[in-house]
Amino acid sequence: GAVVSQHPSRVICKSGTSVKIECRSLDFQATTMFWYRQFPKQSLMLMATSNEGSKATYEQGVEKDKFLINHASLTLSTLTVTSAHPEDSSFYICSAPGETNYEQYFGPGTRLTVT
Amino acid sequence: AQRVTQPEKLLSVFKGAPVELKCNYSYSGSPELFWYVQYSRQRLQLLLRHISRESIKGFTADLNKGETSFHLKKPFAQEEDSAMYYCPSLSAGAGSYQLTFGKGTKLSVIP
Repeated sequence: GAVVSQHPSRVICKSGTSVKIECRSLDFQATTMFWYRQFPKQSLMLMATSNEGSKATYEQGVEKDKFLINHASLTLSTLTVTSAHPEDSSFYICSAPGETNYEQYFGPGTRLTVT
Repeated sequence: AQRVTQPEKLLSVFKGAPVELKCNYSYSGSPELFWYVQYSRQRLQLLLRHISRESIKGFTADLNKGETSFHLKKPFAQEEDSAMYYCPSLSAGAGSYQLTFGKGTKLSVIP
């Protein structure tokens, strides 16, 4: 089946710095990828839809200048958390739709800790 | 737009007992419903989708339009079924279909 990878799996950064998270579709192309955020013991919250070759679409309440998304190719989307603060600490998950467009393949997630 | 709710945050059952994870939806048209599962320390993965009408890992889910439900059932729970289960709704976004996740239900199977 389709595989989505994320890098890094976990990252610790200092407050005020920026962190980039990569999401790759390994054996298929994805013109669209999704970025989610998951707080401990809570559900996934859709942050934005990443579109190859165009601007990302952000969900209401998500700061686009804070969470920069770049869909550089058909297999790579990146999420950059700029000027990170401790409240940005969370589990960030990406996904990409499969052939049917209904099914999504999820990455393993990236644990971000801002100190 | 579709909306789904999972009324139970936590469900504990004994091994071998039947299990039913509830999912209720509200949508005036033909709903697109799924069950996703997240095992401990693993990524989220698709378990079932209603149009396939298949059984995966012993689980089935039937769309009940009269009760507007899509409950996930298994006749005999196993310890390895312990996980978080989500019944997301599907909606059309900007050029793509989006999944919106509710709070999910944590299933704990007691040995």
